[in-house]
Amino acid sequence: NAGVTQTPKFQVLKTGQSMTLQCAQDMNHEYMSWYRQDPGMGLRLIHYSVGAGITDQGEVPNGYNVSRSTTEDFPLRLLSAAPSQTSVYFCASSYSRGRTEAFFGQGTRLTVV
Amino acid sequence: AQKVTQAQTEISVVEKEDVTLDCVYETRDTTYYLFWYKQPPSGELVFLIRRNSFDEQNEISGRYSWNFQKSTSSFNFTITASQVVDSAVYFCALIQGPGNTGKLIFGQGTTLQVKP
Repeated sequence: NAGVTQTPKFQVLKTGQSMTLQCAQDMNHEYMSWYRQDPGMGLRLIHYSVGAGITDQGEVPNGYNVSRSTTEDFPLRLLSAAPSQTSVYFCASSYSRGRTEAFFGQGTRLTVV
Repeated sequence: AQKVTQAQTEISVVEKEDVTLDCVYETRDTTYYLFWYKQPPSGELVFLIRRNSFDEQNEISGRYSWNFQKSTSSFNFTITASQVVDSAVYFCALIQGPGNTGKLIFGQGTTLQVKP
């Protein structure tokens, strides 16, 4: 049981490049989310999903796309990287019923130069 | 609007001191869920505790205790006899409701430094 797995752990991009951050969970959680962490601002929600085929925007969705074709996977795509997207990204998953706490991946530290 | 405020940006204590981390939340929902997470220097987020709005019982887990007060919309976290290993960033969070949506609203975080 690996929990929530994020890849890569570190990434450096040039402005304008695109990339996909991978997230997979093996706990059969219905809910999955992406957050970004910036100094002094806590974590902010980018996109979330309540199940396969269903996604919606969070607080800071601009510049990011998501899709959820399976229960297990929830990739985050950066369409055209900008220096403002330099951040630490966390993927999380949780149950829709019963236990409500979110389980987080290890995080991806992204630098856009 | 829902909001979580952790007014203490940084706290520094000497080992064995007690320390309380404050968390104040805003919500109009009658059913809501609150959490504390720990982020050690290694960077991962570690779940510490969950509390729902209809359970006001305070909780103690070893050196950790939590005081949930609906009357003041606070969910404070106390570490008794702090240790160097407690040094971390601590986040208070609220599920963006109503109910369980799986979407978390985080406070800004409190950085705790415990000096030997």
